[in-house]
Amino acid sequence: GDSVTQMEGPVTLSEEACLTINCTYTATGYPSLFWYVQYPGEGLQLLLKATKADDKGSNKGFEATYRKETTSFHLEKGSVQVSDSAVYFCALRANNLFFGTGTRLTVIP
Amino acid sequence: DTGVSQDPRHKITKRGQNVTFRCDPISEHNRLYWYRQTLGQGPEFLTYFQNEAQLEKSRLLSDRFSAERPKGSFSTLEIQRTEQGDSAMYLCASSNGQGIVEQFFGPGTRLTVL
Repeated sequence: GDSVTQMEGPVTLSEEACLTINCTYTATGYPSLFWYVQYPGEGLQLLLKATKADDKGSNKGFEATYRKETTSFHLEKGSVQVSDSAVYFCALRANNLFFGTGTRLTVIP
Repeated sequence: DTGVSQDPRHKITKRGQNVTFRCDPISEHNRLYWYRQTLGQGPEFLTYFQNEAQLEKSRLLSDRFSAERPKGSFSTLEIQRTEQGDSAMYLCASSNGQGIVEQFFGPGTRLTVL
């Protein structure tokens, strides 16, 4: 069945460090891929998405490229800020949304 | 605030009791979704509605669970004879239109079953 495997956390980085959170998926067909973010005390928010192979989603300095050959959708940011501290979820949508387990990111000054 | 709202935000109940949660989607969103999230896990799909019709239910939705969206606006999720394993965050989301569109999530209802 459809599933998402996400890099385990937690991840702690210093401000301005580079971030990569790995995400791979298993799906029949060609799902759309998403990254959701959950800031402390808030609900899930869509961070970025890609709907077909080689698409790059980007938002707030974060990027992820839909790689069909490696079934991956890794989240990257070149320079993290303290305000990026949150839990990040990779998700795929076939008929419904399937989420990964989440990666907690803490950025320290 | 015009986002998705859920009520209550927290619910503590004893095993065997019934509980009901409410979700108010963004106005005019025709699709409404329920998810369950346990500690350390991502949200798991439970069910969704298009307008008032319940179109899909996950195998996670046992016969103790029932969801309704009688007028195609707000929705309720009821759990009967709660068990400790039902303790989780219950999330509601809504979207407008069909296909790959963004789902907007509410803050969730945290259920604790003692």
